Amino acid sequence: ETGVTQTPRHLVMGMTNKKSLKCEQHLGHNAMYWYKQSAKKPLELMFVYSLEERVENNSVPSRFSPECPNSSHLFLHLHTLQPEDSALYLCASSQDRYSNQPQHFGDGTRLSIL
Amino acid sequence: ELKVEQNPLFLSMQEGKNYTIYCNYSTTSDRLYWYRQDPGKSLESLFVLLSNGAVKQEGRLMASLDTKARLSTLHITAAVHDLSATYFCAVEEVKLTFGTGTRLTIIP
Repeated sequence: ETGVTQTPRHLVMGMTNKKSLKCEQHLGHNAMYWYKQSAKKPLELMFVYSLEERVENNSVPSRFSPECPNSSHLFLHLHTLQPEDSALYLCASSQDRYSNQPQHFGDGTRLSIL
Repeated sequence: ELKVEQNPLFLSMQEGKNYTIYCNYSTTSDRLYWYRQDPGKSLESLFVLLSNGAVKQEGRLMASLDTKARLSTLHITAAVHDLSATYFCAVEEVKLTFGTGTRLTIIP
């Protein structure tokens, strides 16, 4: 039990589809993150939310749209994706953004774009 | 831009042997994390190093931080098969920046 749950675990979609990834944390953390993990590349930070406010958008294309309705839930809305967006998308949370505590990661959503 | 480099990228070693994974980074940060990732699984936090000279040990793994050299090491002692995984270091400045990972395979 990681405390951070992501759904779905796997997603296959066409380039014209719209889908959403969901992340939920039960750790009472105030900061949540989306990362992209591609083969042969380091984890790339996409978005950071602190106390439900977006504090960082790491030059991510607008076809990725995050939403944080409360401190326990984080979504990543996807539309008009490209084949190069196929990757593992990881959600993470931490007590606060600069708490010197490790981030806790979910198992990820494996996304494949046809 | 902060750069974090790990080496080796791939490591295959026999059970019972010792080895070290290196993590070099390009800033003066004193906040460094080590994570482990098993195939198809999430990243699991191993160590948090928050000062120059910090050393943490858990079982057969020991991590250290030298902020002056901008270097962290993850030392594996008497490796066992269960340690096979990918190991990441990550340096925190404004944000957490990850290395490319070291895929470790322990051969019986």
